[in-house]
Order: sequence, then C-alpha cells, then structure tokens
Amino acid sequence: NAGVTQTPKFQVLKTGQSMTLQCAQDMNHEYMSWYRQDPGMGLRLIHYSVGAGITDQGEVPNGYNVSRSTTEDFPLRLLSAAPSQTSVYFCASSQRFTGGGEQYFGPGTRLTVT
Amino acid sequence: GNSVTQMEGPVTLSEEAFLTINCTYTATGYPSLFWYVQYPGEGLQLLLKATKADDKGSNKGFEATYRKETTSFHLEKGSVQVSDSAVYFCALSDLQGAQKLVFGQGTRLTINP
Repeated sequence: NAGVTQTPKFQVLKTGQSMTLQCAQDMNHEYMSWYRQDPGMGLRLIHYSVGAGITDQGEVPNGYNVSRSTTEDFPLRLLSAAPSQTSVYFCASSQRFTGGGEQYFGPGTRLTVT
Repeated sequence: GNSVTQMEGPVTLSEEAFLTINCTYTATGYPSLFWYVQYPGEGLQLLLKATKADDKGSNKGFEATYRKETTSFHLEKGSVQVSDSAVYFCALSDLQGAQKLVFGQGTRLTINP
C-alpha cells in the first residue's frame, strides 16, 4: 500500500491565484481530513469528510473548499490564494472511529504565497 | 472547546539523557490521547496512544500514561538517542464520530551525541 499520497510536494503561488492540492489514500478509509501546520501552532483542521459525498468544516475553513466524490480522493482547493495561506498542508485518513482513532498522514505540501 | 497544551520547546539533550515532554488537555468526556512524531521533512507518524484513563501507551522506548485526574499525558523516555531528534505533538481525538484531532503546538527535540 502507498498509504496517503499528496501532490505537489512544493508550490509557489501569487496572490489571487487558485490551485488544488491533491490527496489520495489506498486503505479504504472512510475518514479523511486536511490540516495546516504553522510554526508554534501545531496542526489545525481545515476540512474533513466522514465518507464520499459528506464534508464539513474544521477550525480554519475560510478560503478553502473541499469535495469528496470517491472514497480514495479528497482534494483541497484554494480559491484565491493569500499570503496568510503560506503553510505546510497535511492530508490524513483513518477508519471510522472504533475506539482507536489514530490517523495516517501524507508527506505534506509546502505552499508559499507571494 | 477541546484543547491541548504542550511544553514549550525547543528541547536539547545529550544522548542517553532522560526525556519528559509535558502535555495537558482540556476536553469534555473521555477523549483518546496520542503522541505523534514528525521527523525532518516528513509527515506525522503515530508514536503511541491511550484510549482510556490509566492506560499506558508505549512504543520505541517511549511511554505515556493517560491521567484523568491531572488531565495529562506526559511523554517519557529513559535514554534518548540522536535518532529521536524530531518534533513531537500531543493530540486528542474528538469522540463525536468524526475523529477530529486537536493538536498541541509541538515540541522540537534535538539530541546531541
């Protein structure tokens, strides 16, 4: 299994541009999520999905859109990039809660908005 | 809301030293607790977990005990190695079915030979 994969690994955008960060998992996990990692702030949840066709907002959803058309894929769209969205983005997946709750993380996408 | 507070870093130790990284939490109910580790240039990996009070999670020589009375989940290792240099995150899991993780700010650990 490849686990959780993310593309691209690095991206530079200009303010106002849009782009999609890709995330895929091959573990048949129902739950997927997007986090951003900023220095001194840990990881913060952007959006999450408990299954195909179901998404919801996390702690910091503004400026981002998601959709979940398949179990495997969970892309994150930046609608109009801003310098405040400069961050490292991680996608994660897990089985639906059964008492363990651990998540599997992708390698991350480092995004710089100038 | 739920929150996690970790010991401020960075932490620098010599090889074979004893390690403690403090973690306390605020949560309603009985969350699951986790320690994740992030090695340079990589994503997060689960290090250990505990799902109920008094459970002890352990892995790779690291241990942490779920203490409900003090709302703590401190990470310990008796003898650290250079390869333990990484960023460590304490986290809790929302039990409302969606498994939303709430993270502490992370503690950067550097081990010198």
